Amino acid sequence: GNSVTQMEGPVTLSEEAFLTINCTYTATGYPSLFWYVQYPGEGLQLLLKATKADDKGSNKGFEATYRKETTSFHLEKGSVQVSDSAVYFCALSDRLLYNQGGKLIFGQGTELSVKP
Amino acid sequence: GAVVSQHPSRVICKSGTSVKIECRSLDFQATTMFWYRQFPKQSLMLMATSNEGSKATYEQGVEKDKFLINHASLTLSTLTVTSAHPEDSSFYICSARDRTGANSPLHFGNGTRLTVT
Repeated sequence: GNSVTQMEGPVTLSEEAFLTINCTYTATGYPSLFWYVQYPGEGLQLLLKATKADDKGSNKGFEATYRKETTSFHLEKGSVQVSDSAVYFCALSDRLLYNQGGKLIFGQGTELSVKP
Repeated sequence: GAVVSQHPSRVICKSGTSVKIECRSLDFQATTMFWYRQFPKQSLMLMATSNEGSKATYEQGVEKDKFLINHASLTLSTLTVTSAHPEDSSFYICSARDRTGANSPLHFGNGTRLTVT
């Protein structure tokens, strides 16, 4: 079945440090991949997505590349800010799930804490 | 942009009572809405898929008689936690997809923190 695995948190970084949050997936077929961000006390916001192999999603300085050969979609940012402190979720949706309305399968989330 | 409003944001109720949570798409129509449950420091677990005008589809292990879902219109879905118990305390999040956008992303509400005492 479909699943998403993320690196465990919390991840604590100093401001301007380089960020990598690993995400790997298991899926039949060719899923679409997403990163969502959840700020404290809020719902989820779409951060970026990629719909096919070798696509790179990017937004707000974050980026992730869809790697089919390694079934990965690692999130990176070159220089994090305190305001990036949040929980980050990797997710996938394959064609079957899409035909079921587009439900997502989420990873367990990785908490990021950025210190000034 | 597309907005999903969830209400209430927080609710405290006594054990044995029922609680209703509303999820509204404010500026788009949503044929399908999803209800998730999130435990502290854990991922979102899909509870059910809510389809406008028809019965909800529940994920395995979710009690449909306990978590009643109604999707009466294209802009409103409700989740009712019946006979709530302390173990139902959690963060519940809804999401919706714009029916007009085949590749449109899911939009999430800000969640409801339920505490059952």
